[in-house]
Amino acid sequence: ELKVEQNPLFLSMQEGKNYTIYCNYSTTSDRLYWYRQDPGKSLESLFVLLSNGAVKQEGRLMASLDTKARLSTLHITAAVHDLSATYFCARRIAGPGRLYFGRGTQLTVWP
Amino acid sequence: DVKVTQSSRYLVKRTGEKVFLECVQDMDHENMFWYRQDPGLGLRLIYFSYDVKMKEKGDIPEGYSVSREKKERFSLILESASTNQTSMYLCASRTTGSGEQYFGPGTRLTVT
Repeated sequence: ELKVEQNPLFLSMQEGKNYTIYCNYSTTSDRLYWYRQDPGKSLESLFVLLSNGAVKQEGRLMASLDTKARLSTLHITAAVHDLSATYFCARRIAGPGRLYFGRGTQLTVWP
Repeated sequence: DVKVTQSSRYLVKRTGEKVFLECVQDMDHENMFWYRQDPGLGLRLIYFSYDVKMKEKGDIPEGYSVSREKKERFSLILESASTNQTSMYLCASRTTGSGEQYFGPGTRLTVT
C-alpha cells in the first residue's frame, strides 16, 4: 500500500506570511498531484508533477517534487484570505491509475 | 473543459433503501472512480472501473456495488443503505495523459 502523509493537517496563518505544506509518501511511484477543496465543494486540480525535480507555480502557490526524498512541497507565498481551503496531495501508481490521497491540510488565512 | 456530473447534490434516504448514485463524464475517459469523504478520514476509494463492464474494488467496497454499462456513466449502488454510509460521495474520471483525475461536484448523502 502506498501511504501518503501530509503535514501539518491544520495550518492557520496570517495574510502576507509564507509557509510550506509537506507531502511524504512511502514507496516509489510515479506522479504527484495537488488538489484544492473549498468547504462544501469538490476537489479542484492544482498541479501535476510528473518527474523528479518538477516545479510548478500558479500565483502564490508553488509545488515541487523530490522523488529521491519521496517528498513534495506546496509553498505558499504572501498568503491571502482567498487561499483558505483544504489542500490534498495524492500519489499515483501505474495501471488503472488509482490515487492515494493524504488526509489534507486545512489552511486558514486570517487578516 | 472536462465535465463530470453527479445526479444529485443532496440526498436523504432511509435505512434499508436501495440507493443509486450516478456519475457521467463527457471526455471519453476510460477510468472512473468512486470515493467517499468523511471528516478526519480524507478520501477513501470505494470502487473504480478501467473500462466498460470492468470494475475493481478499492479500499472500502463493503456495502457497495457499481455498474458501468456505458463508457461515460459509472453508477454506485448502496444495496441496503445504513446510517454509517452517511457521507460525501465523489466521482472522478481520469485522463490518460497526465493521469489527472477530474472530480464531480459530489453528492452529500444522509441515511436516517
